[in-house]
Amino acid sequence: SAVISQKPSRDICQRGTSLTIQCQVDSQVTMMFWYRQQPGQSLTLIATANQGSEATYESGFVIDKFPISRPNLTFSTLTVSNMSPEDSSIYLCSVGVSAYNEQFFGPGTRLTVL
Amino acid sequence: GQQLNQSPQSMFIQEGEDVSMNCTSSSIFNTWLWYKQDPGEGPVLLIALYKAGELTSNGRLTAQFGITRKDSFLNISASIPSDVGIYFCAGPLDTGTASKLTFGTGTRLQVTL
Repeated sequence: SAVISQKPSRDICQRGTSLTIQCQVDSQVTMMFWYRQQPGQSLTLIATANQGSEATYESGFVIDKFPISRPNLTFSTLTVSNMSPEDSSIYLCSVGVSAYNEQFFGPGTRLTVL
Repeated sequence: GQQLNQSPQSMFIQEGEDVSMNCTSSSIFNTWLWYKQDPGEGPVLLIALYKAGELTSNGRLTAQFGITRKDSFLNISASIPSDVGIYFCAGPLDTGTASKLTFGTGTRLQVTL
């Protein structure tokens, strides 16, 4: 497994602003993923972040709204841009550390947009 | 996209009771993962299954990989209050390694004393 931390743990933001969420892993990993969990819902994959290449976004998510950086093998950021109340969710990063599709998750960032 | 349906959606049980939940898919999976999410936390991996028919235990938890490869089951024996949380199944969207996952709809478990 891996130890994953996220910053901030929670934030309350005004609409129209942007928030950058950081994800730090205690070991080098190739695959990092960003998920969104809307209130009372399951997890939805936003994008896959690989070091040295652009992130790959899932249907319904675009780079202009959710730009991602992956500067090295232990760190990634997700920015939620031009926020609206519909962006209020928990944002989770995860890492894939084995060849068997297992993923381990950070504690999440709880975002509230007013 | 791919949808994993979990049943039941929620359940209230008494401490000491056994719990069963399942996860079904319209497509075949080669891996099934079961996670638990506590309030305010990220999901924690409980059990991973890699082979049709496989039965794997982790303490009081037992999970099975359905022989059709389209379903999986999770059982919790002798439930305790700390079993409260949301249980998610998940499976890989691709056939490659370290694949992105799709998650089930979740089963919310509440345990009463």
